[in-house]
Amino acid sequence: EDQVTQSPEALRLQEGESSSLNCSYTVSGLRGLFWYRQDPGKGPEFLFTLYSAGEEKEKERLKATLTKKESFLHITAPKPEDSATYLCAVLEGGATNKLIFGTGTLLAVQP
Amino acid sequence: GAGVSQTPSNKVTEKGKYVELRCDPISGHTALYWYRQSLGQGPEFLIYFQGTGAADDSGLPNDRFFAVRPEGSVSTLKIQRTERGDSAVYLCASSFSWNTEAFFGQGTRLTVV
Repeated sequence: EDQVTQSPEALRLQEGESSSLNCSYTVSGLRGLFWYRQDPGKGPEFLFTLYSAGEEKEKERLKATLTKKESFLHITAPKPEDSATYLCAVLEGGATNKLIFGTGTLLAVQP
Repeated sequence: GAGVSQTPSNKVTEKGKYVELRCDPISGHTALYWYRQSLGQGPEFLIYFQGTGAADDSGLPNDRFFAVRPEGSVSTLKIQRTERGDSAVYLCASSFSWNTEAFFGQGTRLTVV
């Protein structure tokens, strides 16, 4: 069965303290891996799509990478405004177009 | 508006009642999705529309749940005989085509009392 596991469940960083979030997946035929940011009471906000192993995408302090079994979201010199839940999702192979989400990593960046 | 719009933002209903949740996707997006999110969990897939047709409804939990998209734009998620376990945030998303990133609305928080 297709599965997405995110770790850690929660992470507390000091402002400027770089770290990485992990998303490991098992899926039959990956068509894409997506990272979203979700603030309390809001819908997920799209960050990145990765399609193949070795691919990397960057946006401001965030960089996403992909291997055949996992993806990392690297956060460089985070700021308090980066505090949010970060969700990873995979798009299954085949005819369906559904995203399978992990449970997310709750990131808190303290000033 | 530029984003996905969902109404109402909050809905409180009594057990056994019928509810409708509305989603207005981004203009020009042919694909539309409904997800359900419980506290502390990631969104869970319910149904996917490509145009007017439901291309995948495998996530609908039972026959009390139904969704339509009659003109290929606005969609309505309908829940009959609501149960307390239906309480969750219902998220709608749309994408330009079947394989591109999906953009989410703010969600409708449904509470069944």
